[in-house]
Amino acid sequence: GQQVMQIPQYQHVQEGEDFTTYCNSSTTLSNIQWYKQRPGGHPVFLIQLVKSGEVKKQKRLTFQFGEAKKNSSLHITATQTTDVGTYFCAFGAQKLVFGQGTRLTINP
Amino acid sequence: GAVVSQHPSRVICKSGTSVKIECRSLDFQATTMFWYRQFPKQSLMLMATSNEGSKATYEQGVEKDKFLINHASLTLSTLTVTSAHPEDSSFYICSADGGQLNTEAFFGQGTRLTVV
Repeated sequence: GQQVMQIPQYQHVQEGEDFTTYCNSSTTLSNIQWYKQRPGGHPVFLIQLVKSGEVKKQKRLTFQFGEAKKNSSLHITATQTTDVGTYFCAFGAQKLVFGQGTRLTINP
Repeated sequence: GAVVSQHPSRVICKSGTSVKIECRSLDFQATTMFWYRQFPKQSLMLMATSNEGSKATYEQGVEKDKFLINHASLTLSTLTVTSAHPEDSSFYICSADGGQLNTEAFFGQGTRLTVV
């Protein structure tokens, strides 16, 4: 079935540095969602993108959906320690298929 | 947003016993709920789709007789792990989407199951 590949698997940054995680699919996606999961917690919805080339911003977070709707990225500007967690992309109408996740750790 | 409550948050059980996990939608009705499993440092994998008033739909490789799902009301789905074994130890999470297509999923808090 359809899958999304998410990279990198891990990312360690200094506080204040930027961070980006990428999701790629071999097939066109109807939508892409992004979730954040804190250590020991459950996934929390961040955003959904549905349009080709769509870009959305939430404070320091920028989400992009590729023109071909086959890739997406999440970029965090000037990371803070509260950004620590695993970021997942996912797609689907009701039941979701998740990417492998990118685990972000931050050196304060 | 919608609230999904999952209980218990943690459970330790002995091999061979059964464990029931509850997932409730608190402020909306959910005709469909989803059960995921997450092993340490891995992604969420869909196990089954729970349908109110009908049989659950299981993903390939998930044993329906081992993971019993009941969705008897519009606000409650239960997952029972029967004859649990240590390899069933995992984080089990339910979700619901409020009944509309292409909307966010609301997750329960998850249940950390440890089988000893």
